[in-house]
Amino acid sequence: GAVVSQHPSRVICKSGTSVKIECRSLDFQATTMFWYRQFPKQSLMLMATSNEGSKATYEQGVEKDKFLINHASLTLSTLTVTSAHPEDSSFYICSASQALNQPQHFGDGTRLSIL
Amino acid sequence: KQEVTQIPAALSVPEGENLVLNCSFTDSAIYNLQWFRQDPGKGLTSLLLIQSSQREQTSGRLNASLDKSSGRSTLYIAASQPGDSATYLCAVGRGGSEKLVFGKGTKLTVNP
Repeated sequence: GAVVSQHPSRVICKSGTSVKIECRSLDFQATTMFWYRQFPKQSLMLMATSNEGSKATYEQGVEKDKFLINHASLTLSTLTVTSAHPEDSSFYICSASQALNQPQHFGDGTRLSIL
Repeated sequence: KQEVTQIPAALSVPEGENLVLNCSFTDSAIYNLQWFRQDPGKGLTSLLLIQSSQREQTSGRLNASLDKSSGRSTLYIAASQPGDSATYLCAVGRGGSEKLVFGKGTKLTVNP
């Protein structure tokens, strides 16, 4: 149980392209979903927290106009990287939680490469 | 600002050995602590979750301990196997909001 599906697993695109990443909780309802970014040999860094039906809360230093997050249902959250540039290349991972005090379950991540 | 440190950064052991991974955090006011496993190019698999009121959790060959007052946690792996080779991440939950702060991980290699 508690499976989180993230799609696509890898994206390679040209600079200036917008890229959408989906995160789905397959067998549970996720009141909260999280988006993280991981650079090589670095920790996962929380980008934003999204709650179903409300605006995402972004961490300090994360541009909300560049990283658009939508959490339209209890099983789906999307992250759109708008006008992506090479410095946005990274590993993006989502997680979902059923409730407070429950563990976060992670997707398999999306490797984004901007040429 | 919460900071999480994991030592060692890398560890190589022969199969069958028992081992301990260490995690320390600077702010003891945590809600919970979670240990994850990450395989190369993959997402995270949750291994153990310890609530702030608990001192340890066990799952199979894994045992995680938590000492909030000293800001430390350990992950003990018994009778290690090559399949245990992965990066192990420690993360602490801030307040009651479930936000996690991660360490950089310990890359474990278990040699057959």
